[in-house]
Amino acid sequence: AQSVTQLDSHVSVSEGTPVLLRCNYSSSYSPSLFWYVQHPNKGLQLLLKYTSAATLVKGINGFEAEFKKSETSFHLTKPSAHMSDAAEYFCVVTPPGGTYKYIFGTGTRLKVLA
Amino acid sequence: GAVVSQHPSWVICKSGTSVKIECRSLDFQATTMFWYRQFPKQSLMLMATSNEGSKATYEQGVEKDKFLINHASLTLSTLTVTSAHPEDSSFYICSARTRPRTGGRQPQHFGDGTRLSIL
Repeated sequence: AQSVTQLDSHVSVSEGTPVLLRCNYSSSYSPSLFWYVQHPNKGLQLLLKYTSAATLVKGINGFEAEFKKSETSFHLTKPSAHMSDAAEYFCVVTPPGGTYKYIFGTGTRLKVLA
Repeated sequence: GAVVSQHPSWVICKSGTSVKIECRSLDFQATTMFWYRQFPKQSLMLMATSNEGSKATYEQGVEKDKFLINHASLTLSTLTVTSAHPEDSSFYICSARTRPRTGGRQPQHFGDGTRLSIL
């Protein structure tokens, strides 16, 4: 069975400092993994995706994530946080097969301090 | 590219009325659309999956007669909350994806959601 765990429900960083949002997955097969961001009262915006190509994935707004099979992790990072990065972040895994249903993590709320 | 438009963004209505929410893929053909419900400070809960031209597949515990889903074209899906009651108040989000032309998974693209409040 597929599952995804976001290890931190809340993360606070100061503006200009690095961001690390952690995600671990459980999958019997090679998964597809995604990171999405959700601002208040908005839908989800795709930040980046991993689909078995390069293990280091670069996304929008300076975010990137590294797929580490040995650690079953897909952590999201950004070198320098901006105030506009404050939002809810979801790690998502898609199991193999035809339905392509998403399995969501519980989310990490990122707070950026001035 | 890959823009999904959801309408309306907010709706307030009286208990007992039916509410229709539209989800449109503006610049791509959506072979599959998904409807989610999100409670405050929680993750998204999948309600149903709809493929163009066929009946929607509902998740366990979701009432088919309460939440009617229609996916009549490759760019439009609708969710109708029938005889809505206060417990149906929530944030509803749709997403759409297309069939991949090459290997790999196409991501889902999300609408901006609809805040439904039933008085």
